Amino acid sequence: EADIYQTPRYLVIGTGKKITLECSQTMGHDKMYWYQQDPGMELHLIHYSYGVNSTEKGDLSSESTVSRIRTEHFPLTLESARPSHTSQYLCASSAWTGGAGGYTFGSGTRLTVV
Amino acid sequence: SQQGEEDPQALSIQEGENATMNCSYKTSINNLQWYRQNSGRGLVHLILIRSNEREKHSGRLRVTLDTSKKSSSLLITASRAADTASYFCAPSNFGNEKLTFGTGTRLTIIP
Repeated sequence: EADIYQTPRYLVIGTGKKITLECSQTMGHDKMYWYQQDPGMELHLIHYSYGVNSTEKGDLSSESTVSRIRTEHFPLTLESARPSHTSQYLCASSAWTGGAGGYTFGSGTRLTVV
Repeated sequence: SQQGEEDPQALSIQEGENATMNCSYKTSINNLQWYRQNSGRGLVHLILIRSNEREKHSGRLRVTLDTSKKSSSLLITASRAADTASYFCAPSNFGNEKLTFGTGTRLTIIP
C-alpha cells in the first residue's frame, strides 16, 4: 500500500544531541516537504524538495537541514537540539501536476528537547 | 504561496447536525484544497476544487468556491463524532507547488 512513513513517532532527547527524523514514501512522488507545527497552531513550511539532489528552505527559518539522495527518502537533521526545537514535525509528499492531486502527510514526529 | 484564513477558529455542534466552515484568501487561485487533521496526526487531503468549479461533493462533504469573493466553504452533513478534528484550507496556483496552511477550524462534535 502506497504511503508515507515517519519515524520515530515520539522522541525525547537532551539538549545538544544530534537527531535525524526519518521520512520515507512509497509512492514515487518527486516533491517532498517538511512542516513544523506547535499544538493548535499553523503549519510552517521549513524545507522542501522537488527531486533528487534538490532541496530548498521554506518560509520559516529553521536550524535543521535536509537531504534528498533518493526519491523515496527525505530525512531532517538537527545537529544540536535545543528546547526551542520542541515541536511536531510533519513530512508530506506530492505528485503535484498542476492541480491533479493533494499532499499526502505522514503521521508526524513529536519532538521534545529537554 | 498564499495562506488561507479559516473561520470560525472553533466550532462545536451536536452529532447529526451540519457543520460549515469558511476560508478566505487574498489573491487569485487555480484551485483550493481542504484538509483534515486529527489531534496529533498528519493532515489528510479531503477535496480539491478548481477555480472554474463552483461546487463539489464527496460523500458527506460539500465544498463551494466563490472566486469573486475569494472565499470557499466546507459543509459536513450529518456530523459524526469521528469528524472531530481541525480543518484547513489551502489555496494554490499552478507553478507554485508549496502549500501554506493557517491555524484551521477546530471542529468538535458533541455526542
